[in-house]
Amino acid sequence: SQKIEQNSEALNIQEGKTATLTCNYTNYSPAYLQWYRQDPGRGPVFLLLIRENEKEKRKERLKVTFDTTLKQSLFHITASQPADSATYLCALDFNQAGTALIFGKGTTLSVSS
Amino acid sequence: KAGVTQTPRYLIKTRGQQVTLSCSPISGHRSVSWYQQTPGQGLQFLFEYFSETQRNKGNFPGRFSGRQFSNSRSEMNVSTLELGDSALYLCASSLGSAMTSSGNTIYFGEGSWLTVV
Repeated sequence: SQKIEQNSEALNIQEGKTATLTCNYTNYSPAYLQWYRQDPGRGPVFLLLIRENEKEKRKERLKVTFDTTLKQSLFHITASQPADSATYLCALDFNQAGTALIFGKGTTLSVSS
Repeated sequence: KAGVTQTPRYLIKTRGQQVTLSCSPISGHRSVSWYQQTPGQGLQFLFEYFSETQRNKGNFPGRFSGRQFSNSRSEMNVSTLELGDSALYLCASSLGSAMTSSGNTIYFGEGSWLTVV
């Protein structure tokens, strides 16, 4: 069955540095991979989606890469701020519409000032 | 526009009881999916409904069921509650059609916190 892993449960960095989060998957070739942010007690919020034929996608300070050969996605937050502290989840679809997702367990990012 | 609305936000039930959770998607969205989130297992897909039909189903026992109405509102039901069903239940909505070039953005509600005692 499909498996998705985020290799760090927690990541602590200093303000201004770049945070890099990793997502690996096995036994599947997703058409899309998505990243979400979740704050405590809240529902996840969609951040970025990258398609299998895209190598990289950017949105403001966020950058996502997708390597289908390595079966890996990297999520970068540049010039990180304390407000970026949250849990970040990667998810891959298992239906063509991208509406049924398997999630990783998330990486909790803490940015200290 | 209004976001995804879930009710109730918090509830406590006793083992063996059943519970119904409700979700109102964003206006115009036809896909509603449900997820269970626990500290140990993370976010797990329960099922997805599109135009009143279950389109995808996760690996949960038959005690977990759902339905979608003609106005796209959805309910999920858990029967014969067990202690392990204590979790945050999240509903998500999207347009739901085949993926467009911009992607099918999924919007989550704030969830319903279920505690089984």
